Amino acid sequence: QKEVEQDPGPLSVPEGAIVSLNCTYSNSAFQYFMWYRQYSRKGPELLMYTYSSGNKEDGRFTAQVDKSSKYISLFIRDSQPSDSATYLCAMTASGGYNKLIFGAGTRLAVHP
Amino acid sequence: NAGVMQNPRHLVRRRGQEARLRCSPMKGHSHVYWYRQLPEEGLKFMVYLQKENIIDESGMPKERFSAEFPKEGPSILRIQQVVRGDSAAYFCASSRPTSASQNTGELFFGEGSRLTVL
Repeated sequence: QKEVEQDPGPLSVPEGAIVSLNCTYSNSAFQYFMWYRQYSRKGPELLMYTYSSGNKEDGRFTAQVDKSSKYISLFIRDSQPSDSATYLCAMTASGGYNKLIFGAGTRLAVHP
Repeated sequence: NAGVMQNPRHLVRRRGQEARLRCSPMKGHSHVYWYRQLPEEGLKFMVYLQKENIIDESGMPKERFSAEFPKEGPSILRIQQVVRGDSAAYFCASSRPTSASQNTGELFFGEGSRLTVL
């Protein structure tokens, strides 16, 4: 079993839809949870960052962490064609250094 | 304000040759990480370095792979005697130096170096 599971998709939605992306994990030591966005042939860029459980909102993006269920989500409201990318969840244990464990990534296509 | 710089962006090698990938971290960052991304897979941790020190190389294959981050100059990921299975995108990331209690898990990635082994 992988430490972090993420459905690779692809996920195709119409412009304006609400998108829900999810990851599950098995290591209860994970404390920091991130979502990275990666456009084709580019490096990942940090999109959202959350510490421990709870919600975090930034514009059209909302990240949720449920540590009791070992489940994290990213919601994208009013999705735009420019949101078409691969979304990678990542996480790491507290303290120490940034040895991130990544999910496989979900490919999202938002069509006009 | 340059981000993480990687070169070359694309590298083609024949089996048995050596590949050298270079990474210059963001200004003010002294921690460097190398990750490998195979097609349709997420990023896999390879190695974590600070200046002149390898801190964690638990993700590095035992043979043919090495990494360094000298006092002066970029970090280098070196792959000797490449095989077709080494074909992948290799990403470098950097972070600020922080204490364990301040660590936030944020990494800043470069654009990657895509290695193709013929």
